[in-house]
Amino acid sequence: DAKTTQPTSMDCAEGRAANLPCNHSTISGNEYVYWYRQIHSQGPQYIIHGLKNNETNEMASLIITEDRKSSTLILPHATLRDTAVYYCIVRALNRDDKIIFGKGTRLHILP
Amino acid sequence: NAGVTQTPKFQVLKTGQSMTLQCAQDMNHNSMYWYRQDPGMGLRLIYYSASEGTTDKGEVPNGYNVSRLNKREFSLRLESAAPSQTSVYFCASSEGFGFGDSTEAFFGQGTRLTVV
Repeated sequence: DAKTTQPTSMDCAEGRAANLPCNHSTISGNEYVYWYRQIHSQGPQYIIHGLKNNETNEMASLIITEDRKSSTLILPHATLRDTAVYYCIVRALNRDDKIIFGKGTRLHILP
Repeated sequence: NAGVTQTPKFQVLKTGQSMTLQCAQDMNHNSMYWYRQDPGMGLRLIYYSASEGTTDKGEVPNGYNVSRLNKREFSLRLESAAPSQTSVYFCASSEGFGFGDSTEAFFGQGTRLTVV
């Protein structure tokens, strides 16, 4: 089973920041938080990942709480092309190395 | 840079027929995965291979077999297709364990399979 809980859907106005929450209360010390998105029927696309520090790249920012039990993906200036399903995943670096997806959040960017 | 290539892109099978979905990656990744995605649902892991020569079951392995032919290729076989296997199948690869930092997975564009 997926180790994360996300809202089913969210709306965000174009040009505003989209904040997507994720709960991962059972996360282990060696597990990273990853975010992917899937636009329409394409293959999922990696966005960002982190362990315990906040991370930023050209696509998004990832804010992880101090207790690591939840995180927020921030798209700073959402565009219509950001309409997609966003998946939050926790994953450990060990031989098992499974990547298990949950149901994700369907983000609608409104014009 | 091809990344992860899946063939075929579309396929229609009759119930009971067999077929093999092919996946190849050119990134020298250790780990490879097969997922299925039913309409309106998230991805579910069928099988994965953490390294060449090893395969393990995922969440929904029944009705499927896999072969990690070499480091580049990971195939998924349906021995006797059933309508319940109608889905979009995605292959993915990642660096996998043993590296200094976590790494992302790269996905193919999917194979749309219909079993009638």
